[in-house]
Amino acid sequence: NAGVTQTPKFQVLKTGQSMTLQCAQDMNHNSMYWYRQDPGMGLRLIYYSASEGTTDKGEVPNGYNVSRLNKREFSLRLESAAPSQTSVYFCASRAQRDRITDTQYFGPGTRLTVL
Amino acid sequence: QKEVEQNSGPLSVPEGAIASLNCTYSDRGSQSFFWYRQYSGKSPELIMSIYSNGDKEDGRFTAQLNKASQYVSLLIRDSQPSDSATYLCAVNEAGYGGSQGNLIFGKGTKLSVKP
Repeated sequence: NAGVTQTPKFQVLKTGQSMTLQCAQDMNHNSMYWYRQDPGMGLRLIYYSASEGTTDKGEVPNGYNVSRLNKREFSLRLESAAPSQTSVYFCASRAQRDRITDTQYFGPGTRLTVL
Repeated sequence: QKEVEQNSGPLSVPEGAIASLNCTYSDRGSQSFFWYRQYSGKSPELIMSIYSNGDKEDGRFTAQLNKASQYVSLLIRDSQPSDSATYLCAVNEAGYGGSQGNLIFGKGTKLSVKP
């Protein structure tokens, strides 16, 4: 049981390049989340998927797109990377859509640098 | 704008002392409250959850919740150098449907336990 996994762990991009961050969970969780974490800014929600087949914008969605490929996988795409997207990206998952007591479990993160 | 506020610290305590971490939140409808610990370069990990007013104890950790004052705290007894980390307070987003499980994070309090 690996929990939440993310690939890659590190990535350096040039401005304008595109890439996809991958996330997978093996806990049969319904909900999945993408966050970014910047110094002094805390964790900010980019997009979330409350259940398979649905995705919604979070606090900072501009410049990103997501795909909930199936129940296990939730990917984050940067179409044209900008230096402002340099950050640490975390994926998280949560068991039940409607049970507020369920917490979120985080993956190990992807450190992205955009030059 | 829903907010979760924490003192950024750093909070420095000697080994064996009690560390007290505080958090206030703006959304009166929030019902779930979580404390995550994040070591430098690592992902957040859940250490405590609390849903009802009062205290909840788990080993050396005690979470306290006062919904009337919109205040959550975490006490760490017999602090150890291994407790040195950033502690994130998270509060569920009040509402209905898919966003109900979303968490709003504080920016974190950095704790340093000196031997």
